[in-house]
Amino acid sequence: GAGVSQSPRYKVAKRGQDVALRCDPISGHVSLFWYQQALGQGPEFLTYFQNEAQLDKSGLPSDRFFAERPEGSVSTLKIQRTQQEDSAVYLCASSLGPGGAPIVDEQYFGPGTRLTVT
Amino acid sequence: AQSVTQLDSHVSVSEGTPVLLRCNYSSSYSPSLFWYVQHPNKGLQLLLKYTSAATLVKGINGFEAEFKKSETSFHLTKPSAHMSDAAEYFCVVSDPNSGYSTLTFGKGTMLLVSP
Repeated sequence: GAGVSQSPRYKVAKRGQDVALRCDPISGHVSLFWYQQALGQGPEFLTYFQNEAQLDKSGLPSDRFFAERPEGSVSTLKIQRTQQEDSAVYLCASSLGPGGAPIVDEQYFGPGTRLTVT
Repeated sequence: AQSVTQLDSHVSVSEGTPVLLRCNYSSSYSPSLFWYVQHPNKGLQLLLKYTSAATLVKGINGFEAEFKKSETSFHLTKPSAHMSDAAEYFCVVSDPNSGYSTLTFGKGTMLLVSP
């Protein structure tokens, strides 16, 4: 079946431009996560949605980052006034349930969007 | 707070020889631990997970890992490497007692397999 998809796969933005990154999770998955993966590093948590509710945005690096999931399915990560330090791969993951004890659901990852800010 | 440390940034093996990728974790709780693999231009794929059942966990593609609480380790092993195993591997910890399961990743170990 279809996995998690992300678009675009590659994005080049000039410094100061706004960008929008899209994530299509697996149909029916309750949880959706965004991660940022800098070059040579492991992914780092940005934000978490349970259905349409954004329950945790503690990992967003600045107020230029904004995420939404208005209908509890597709999610968009928006970065305003991009800076060079925003260059990274942005990963989206979804899982079936709300997660947490006693079950830790497997997260299914998309291929990522590679953002390059010039 | 929880964290993982992957002790090697790169590991090189010959095809057919054993693989050992080392991981130590730090967690205030009884953690859930995972290994993910990332092939170039592909999404992260779950290899295996430990969630407080058996301490020896078997995963896909012949990989396994052993949870050792006394050593706070969760090393990944495979008896015989294949060329297709060349990829980046991430050790990951999650706090199952949180309301959701945010993953904390290590920095990754690149596995190189030579013929």
